[in-house]
Amino acid sequence: AQSVTQLGSHVSVSEGALVLLRCNYSSSVPPYLFWYVQYPNQGLQLLLKYTSAATLVKGINGFEAEFKKSETSFHLTKPSAHMSDAAEYFCAVNVDQGAQKLVFGQGTRLTINP
Amino acid sequence: GAGVSQSPSNKVTEKGKDVELRCDPISGHTALYWYRQSLGQGLEFLIYFQGNSAPDKSGLPSDRFSAERTGGSVSTLTIQRTQQEDSAVYLCASSSGLSGANVLTFGAGSRLTVL
Repeated sequence: AQSVTQLGSHVSVSEGALVLLRCNYSSSVPPYLFWYVQYPNQGLQLLLKYTSAATLVKGINGFEAEFKKSETSFHLTKPSAHMSDAAEYFCAVNVDQGAQKLVFGQGTRLTINP
Repeated sequence: GAGVSQSPSNKVTEKGKDVELRCDPISGHTALYWYRQSLGQGLEFLIYFQGNSAPDKSGLPSDRFSAERTGGSVSTLTIQRTQQEDSAVYLCASSSGLSGANVLTFGAGSRLTVL
C-alpha cells in the first residue's frame, strides 16, 4: 500500500530564508504526487503536482518540488520565505489512475519568523 | 458555483444524534469526494462519486456513515448515532473528471464536534 512520510511536523524559518519541506513516499507503481497548502479555517489548495512529465515541477507562490525516483522523494522548496507562506503543508500520493484517492502525509506546519 | 460550498461550517452535536453535512461542488464537476481531517488520523479518504454513483466507499469508517449524491450535484454525508471519535473536519472536493492526475478543489470543510 502507498504511504507518505513528511519529516518534521513543524518547520520554522526566517523571512527571506530557504524553505525546505521534506516528503518521502512509498508506492509500488509510478505515482502521482501533490503538495497542498492549508491556511487556517480554509480548505486545501493545490500548490503543485507531479504527473510523470518533468521531474522538476513549479507551482504557485514561487514553490517548486523535484521528483527523485531513486530516493522516493518529492521535497518542496522555495528560495525565499515570505510571511504569507505561514500555513500547513501536505504532501499526497495517488496511485489510482481513475480517481483522486489521495493518501496524505501528516502535514508540516511552517512558521515564518520576521 | 465559483467554489465548493459546504454547510454547516460548524456543527456541535450530542453523542448518539444523527448529523447531515452538505456539499455543493463546482458547477459541471462530475466527480465529488469526501475526506476527513482529524487530529488522530490526519487526512483520510472516505468516498467518491462519479455522477450519482459511488464506485468506492472503502474509506467509510463504519456502517454509521453513508453518503448520497443527487442530480449529479449536491452531496450529503450522513453520520448516524454519532460518537466522540467522529469529531473531525469533513472536507468535500470536486474535480472535472476521473483521472489520477486531476486537480481537486476543496471546500472549507464542516467542523463536527461530538460532545
